[in-house]
Amino acid sequence: GENVEQHPSTLSVQEGDSAVIKCTYSDSASNYFPWYKQELGKGPQLIIDIRSNVGEKKDQRIAVTLNKTAKHFSLHITETQPEDSAVYFCAAVKSYIPTFGRGTSLIVHP
Amino acid sequence: GAVVSQHPSRVICKSGTSVKIECRSLDFQATTMFWYRQFPKKSLMLMATSNEGSKATYEQGVEKDKFLINHASLTLSTLTVTSAHPEDSSFYICSARPPRFSSSTDTQYFGPGTRLTVL
Repeated sequence: GENVEQHPSTLSVQEGDSAVIKCTYSDSASNYFPWYKQELGKGPQLIIDIRSNVGEKKDQRIAVTLNKTAKHFSLHITETQPEDSAVYFCAAVKSYIPTFGRGTSLIVHP
Repeated sequence: GAVVSQHPSRVICKSGTSVKIECRSLDFQATTMFWYRQFPKKSLMLMATSNEGSKATYEQGVEKDKFLINHASLTLSTLTVTSAHPEDSSFYICSARPPRFSSSTDTQYFGPGTRLTVL
């Protein structure tokens, strides 16, 4: 089955810095890659996604890149703010079934 | 759009009782809903996939007789934890997927979760 590795598990940055979270997947048939943000005690919220026919997508301070050949995709957050602090999960989706990474706890220090 | 609600948000029950959790898609019809369990500081563990009008598909290791799933309509799925025990205490999260004809059918939209504590 699909295997998704996510790094780092914890990321601590200063407000205003950029943050990058990386994921790799194993099944080349996965064709959809969403990113979710989960705040403490809440459900995950979709923040950005990318499909296998696209290499990069941007939405304000958030961007995602996908390298299908290398089977890895990354989340980039620029100009981080304290409210960006949360756990971020990547996922690789095949036939509508996602496999999630183990999550990255992002801490943005004011 | 794409709002999913869960009820209750928190429940505390005694060991041996059953607890029902509801998951509703508020502004779209969900052909498929998913139930996850999440332990503290851990990732999401898929428990089962439910399709409206048919039996749920359970992941390996998940007891179907303990975690009863009903997907009676296109906007409602329920998870019943039967004869709950302290080890069932966890954060349960549902998600819903828009229908196949939707441009966002690949996307799962998550509910806010239900914190279950079994005493």
